[in-house]
Amino acid sequence: DAKTTQPPSMDCAEGRAANLPCNHSTISGNEYVYWYRQIHSQGPQYIIHGLKNNETNEMASLIITEDRKSSTLILPHATLRDTAVYYCIVREPNAGNMLTFGGGTRLMVKP
Amino acid sequence: GAGVSQSPSNKVTEKGKDVELRCDPISGHTALYWYRQSLGQGLEFLIYFQGNSAPDKSGLPSDRFSAERTGGSVSTLTIQRTQQEDSAVYLCASSLAHESSTQYFGPGTRLTVL
Repeated sequence: DAKTTQPPSMDCAEGRAANLPCNHSTISGNEYVYWYRQIHSQGPQYIIHGLKNNETNEMASLIITEDRKSSTLILPHATLRDTAVYYCIVREPNAGNMLTFGGGTRLMVKP
Repeated sequence: GAGVSQSPSNKVTEKGKDVELRCDPISGHTALYWYRQSLGQGLEFLIYFQGNSAPDKSGLPSDRFSAERTGGSVSTLTIQRTQQEDSAVYLCASSLAHESSTQYFGPGTRLTVL
């Protein structure tokens, strides 16, 4: 899996958009960008993934740069329940058994 | 729709006892994974089932750990003669056969060995 770099922590005001960046300059052509999060004392939660086009679902939007070397996860209206560690990983869709997460970004949503 | 479910949500046991942890994957997901996570630590892969293939047991930490998946659906993780270092949250995940990068996790079972 290609390496990713994320800021260790970010704050966001409740109701505002949270924009979480991820750098993945060594991403290969077959690798997708995946985002997961882990809320305290819960299991990891899949959020969204994409190859090169921007993606949106009920949880978030994913913006991938044209050169695919970086991406941004957008939570359009962050709530206190979005406080979590967010992990960006790059992998092929069927890359193998185990997921491994790096340090991630600890997002704190504040009232 | 229903997600991955696990039971029990919490289990407290005495050192030396056996425990069984259960996982119900998402219907139609042929791949099932067990992980564990100690406090403040990352995910530790334990075992992987895919359809009728032989499971990948490469992550099991000792022969006290075993897992079964009956009928291609429900899975049971068994820990024999539990030790205090087995205390952790045990997580189950499932995915479609060829989308192992999109795994859906259950809420976990918090195991405490006294």
